[in-house]
Amino acid sequence: QTVVTQEPSFSVSPGGTVTLTCGLNSGSVSTNNYPSWYQQTPGQAPRTLIYSTNSRSSGVPDRFSGSILGNKAALIITGAQADDESTYYCVLYIHSLVWVFGGGTKLTVL
Amino acid sequence: QVQLVESGGGVVQPGRSLRLSCAASGFTFSIYGMHWVRQAPGKGLEWVAVLSSDGSNENYADSVKGRFTISRDNSKNTLYLQMNSLRHEDTAVYYCAKKAAGGVEASPDYWGQGTLVTVSS
Repeated sequence: QTVVTQEPSFSVSPGGTVTLTCGLNSGSVSTNNYPSWYQQTPGQAPRTLIYSTNSRSSGVPDRFSGSILGNKAALIITGAQADDESTYYCVLYIHSLVWVFGGGTKLTVL
Repeated sequence: QVQLVESGGGVVQPGRSLRLSCAASGFTFSIYGMHWVRQAPGKGLEWVAVLSSDGSNENYADSVKGRFTISRDNSKNTLYLQMNSLRHEDTAVYYCAKKAAGGVEASPDYWGQGTLVTVSS
């Protein structure tokens, strides 16, 4: 069974930089997994930040960027702001029209 | 602007059926694949199903395979999810989502606001 792994929680200071990661229990994440990243606050629908590894969705500030770091996908947030406090999810394309979401990372800005 | 509006959620008994709809506007619906994604109360996102732009290719998460059917009517700009043999564990907010630009591997980009399905006796 494919499991996509994310840090359960992370904290960052206002103005700081944080890197959230997205891994695979079965091996390395690559651009062939087309990693995407979403931000969600309680009671709201997810908002797309990054798709296909590093393409920024419309209207997303360039403080948010995506990449592959080592064997994981990464979401890098620079200049963290109070309203970045959210849960962040990644999703990976596994194979044959199958996608799997990670469990999410709850980011605290303090 | 892209708009996706889900409807059809509600309370349903275990074993019964429900059909969700997702009305799309603001983009050329007929050229984009579509996803359904769900979120159980207090839990994370779970990918449910995908359908190609012309309706010819579909797939499902193992948890719903054989019980759920995704379909679309491009003449009505509407996506559907037929849910049969519902279980308590199907209780969730169901989101429809447009596929991002790209190939068959494209993940969701634009999302609807979701519709709540509660399976309870």
